[in-house]
Amino acid sequence: GENVEQHPSTLSVQEGDSAVIKCTYSDSASNYFPWYKQELGKRPQLIIDIRSNVGEKKDQRIAVTLNKTAKHFSLHITETQPEDSAVYFCAALLFMFSGGYNKLIFGAGTRLAVHP
Amino acid sequence: NAGVTQTPKFQVLKTGQSMTLQCAQDMNHEYMSWYRQDPGMGLRLIHYSVGAGITDQGEVPNGYNVSRSTTEDFPLRLLSAAPSQTSVYFCASSYRPDEAFFGQGTRLTVV
Repeated sequence: GENVEQHPSTLSVQEGDSAVIKCTYSDSASNYFPWYKQELGKRPQLIIDIRSNVGEKKDQRIAVTLNKTAKHFSLHITETQPEDSAVYFCAALLFMFSGGYNKLIFGAGTRLAVHP
Repeated sequence: NAGVTQTPKFQVLKTGQSMTLQCAQDMNHEYMSWYRQDPGMGLRLIHYSVGAGITDQGEVPNGYNVSRSTTEDFPLRLLSAAPSQTSVYFCASSYRPDEAFFGQGTRLTVV
């Protein structure tokens, strides 16, 4: 079936370094790719998203890039800080052309640890 | 405006028991969904709804039932709980299918 693969599952960086998380998707019709951050014991929250009509989007220290040809997108965090430590999920909107309704499908998550 | 409210926050069930996880939203969102979160598995879609009276299956629907009689509520029913259903359950709602505003989650343990 349609799925979203996310790598790596864990990532450890030193404060100030950059972190990159990558996701691939299988549905070539997908056109919306959000990223969620989940702090320990809390709910996932949207931090940035990108639509297929752009290749990159930035918001302060975070950015997302999209390669539709290769069907992959990435989250980039620069100048990491301890408060960036969390689990990050990518997602893709799958289109159900054969019936049913469009669904938001998530990757397995990346646990990011930023060490002071 | 309370957002998405899930009850209970914690629950322990014995194998074979039934229960309903409640989800309510006060934002007049048409789209509502249930996810389960397991270590290393991410957020997997169980069931979702695109409006009152309309539901559909997600990635892992077996063992769960849903109904959507009102716009505000989207309960998730476990008919006969199994240890494999031990998980954290998140309800989400939105105006559009490409959004998800999550509730605080329900941690369910089946023994």
